[in-house]
Amino acid sequence: DVKVTQSSRYLVKRTGEKVFLECVQDMDHENMFWYRQDPGLGLRLIYFSYDVKMKEKGDIPEGYSVSREKKERFSLILESASTNQTSMYLCASTIGARGDTEAFFGQGTRLTVV
Amino acid sequence: GNSVTQMEGPVTLSEEAFLTINCTYTATGYPSLFWYVQYPGEGLQLLLKATKADDKGSNKGFEATYRKETTSFHLEKGSVQVSDSAVYFCALFYNQGGKLIFGQGTELSVKP
Repeated sequence: DVKVTQSSRYLVKRTGEKVFLECVQDMDHENMFWYRQDPGLGLRLIYFSYDVKMKEKGDIPEGYSVSREKKERFSLILESASTNQTSMYLCASTIGARGDTEAFFGQGTRLTVV
Repeated sequence: GNSVTQMEGPVTLSEEAFLTINCTYTATGYPSLFWYVQYPGEGLQLLLKATKADDKGSNKGFEATYRKETTSFHLEKGSVQVSDSAVYFCALFYNQGGKLIFGQGTELSVKP
């Protein structure tokens, strides 16, 4: 079974903390994505990566950074968490540069910043 | 920029009713188009896809046709079931840039 695994299902952090969200895929996929999901706003792309050490900004990168040191792992970093970053975070991966391939998603991390 | 717009939900239907969820997109070039579904308590999964104009994607009784002239990819099903209750997301992959972007999602509730 193909798998995208996010390190935590639920996380509670304090304002100002540095937060790491980890995502690991076991499919040898080149592309990985981080989204946040909010009611009425759908999935909004934060960052994506098409190769090791490569990263591209999505539509809402402010307040976030990412790291991809290994092909299978893509980390999302909140440098200084704020309450408006309370959300569901979803990681996804796809194979290569082909646009017709299926994206596989993790189960999500529900982050609450207090 | 590239974007996807879906009809607002929630959509509430009786079992065996006909379903249409509208999706329109803005993109230059020729993106691939997708519908993903998120069942309660589960992750997103691919429902169907179409990669070029006039392609029809289909799966589990759902269909959608890639209409370049109207920049649309509407999801249809002839007879919905209670088990179809979920949130449906329209998405596009734009090869130039490698972005996979989603609409805001449409919640469907099917009553027995």
